[in-house]
Parts: sequence; C-alpha cells; structure tokens
Amino acid sequence: NAGVTQTPKFQVLKTGQSMTLQCAQDMNHEYMSWYRQDPGMGLRLIHYSVGAGITDQGEVPNGYNVSRSTTEDFPLRLLSAAPSQTSVYFCASSYSNGVSSYNSPLHFGNGTRLTVT
Amino acid sequence: KNEVEQSPQNLTAQEGEFITINCSYSVGISALHWLQQHPGGGIVSLFMLSSGKKKHGRLIATINIQEKHSSLHITASHPRDSAVYICAVGSRMDSNYQLIWGAGTKLIIKP
Repeated sequence: NAGVTQTPKFQVLKTGQSMTLQCAQDMNHEYMSWYRQDPGMGLRLIHYSVGAGITDQGEVPNGYNVSRSTTEDFPLRLLSAAPSQTSVYFCASSYSNGVSSYNSPLHFGNGTRLTVT
Repeated sequence: KNEVEQSPQNLTAQEGEFITINCSYSVGISALHWLQQHPGGGIVSLFMLSSGKKKHGRLIATINIQEKHSSLHITASHPRDSAVYICAVGSRMDSNYQLIWGAGTKLIIKP
C-alpha cells in the first residue's frame, strides 16, 4: 500500500531551469494538492485538483503549472526556476465526498526538498 | 488576526508529562485536522474531527464547536513525540471550501 509517492526527494536546480515534481497516489482519491513549506511559515497551497481534468490555483500559484490527466497522478511543473522557489514541496490527497475535500483525512507524500541556485 | 491560531508556539517538557496543544479558530468549519511532522520528515494525519473527542493510543483530540476551540493531548509523553503539531480547519469561504492552516506547535520532549 504505497499511499502518496513523491519523487524526487531532493533536487538542485540552477535559475532558469525547468523540472517536474511527480506525485502519484493509489487510493483513488479525487482530491490532490501541492503545498510548499518554508522555514517559519505554515503550509501554503500552490495548486489543487478535485478530479481528473480539473485544476485550480491556490494561494501561491505563480511560477508553477499543474495538470491532472488521470486520477492517480498530479505533477507540478516549474517552468523557469527562481531562487524564491527554494522550498520543501508536499503533495497531498484525500477522498472527496462531493461537498468538501476537507472532510476526510489528508494523506501526504514524504516531500521534495528543492534548492534553486 | 489569523483565522486559525495555535498555542503555544513552542513547548518543551520532560518525558512522562501530560501535554496539551491548543487550536482556536474564528470561522465556521466542516472539520478540524490535527497533523504531525517530525524534523525533516513527512506530514502524518493524526485526527480529523467535527465534534466530540477522538482517541488513538496516547493521543486524544477534543473539539468544542460552540467555543471554536480544539485541543490535542498527549499522555505519558515520550521523546519520540517530539515533532511539530499542526492544526488545520476545513471551512467554506467565498462559496469554496478551503483548508486553513495553523502555524504549528513545536514540541520537544526531553528524556
């Protein structure tokens, strides 16, 4: 039972490079999301999806793109990395009851530590 | 004023002590979550509750909807309980459901 799998665990990029953070879940959860966590700050929502083909922006979406072609996968793309995107990134998923995605426990991946130089 | 406030921000205690972490919120909620994050580690969901009390092992979570307050208790605390404990509430705002996060409480249990 893998749960939420995030790859890679660590990544170092140069400014301007692009990359994709992968997130996959095997629990058939409709809701998936990406957060970033910075020192001294709480989790901030980047993008989220309530089902395949549906994505929406969170609190801090600039510089990031997402897509949701399948229920299982929700990749996060950095098109042109900037030092301000140095952070720890978490993917999370949960079951949605059709009303709220937040009435079910959240399942998190182990995080990706990204450094942009 | 933040919509979800946790107290204390930091807590250091001796092994065996009874621990209480508080979460107060100012919005209407559909559910409240307690999560745990170990240093350098992932985030684990501990409890999700919308009323009453839940217990899992040495952890107990309570919520008072009228007072808009929740507490997370740890009985017989152990150094392995050292972690950041995060409160988050699911709330309907601007016709969308959102998850509003507290800043976390850093707990250190000394042997």
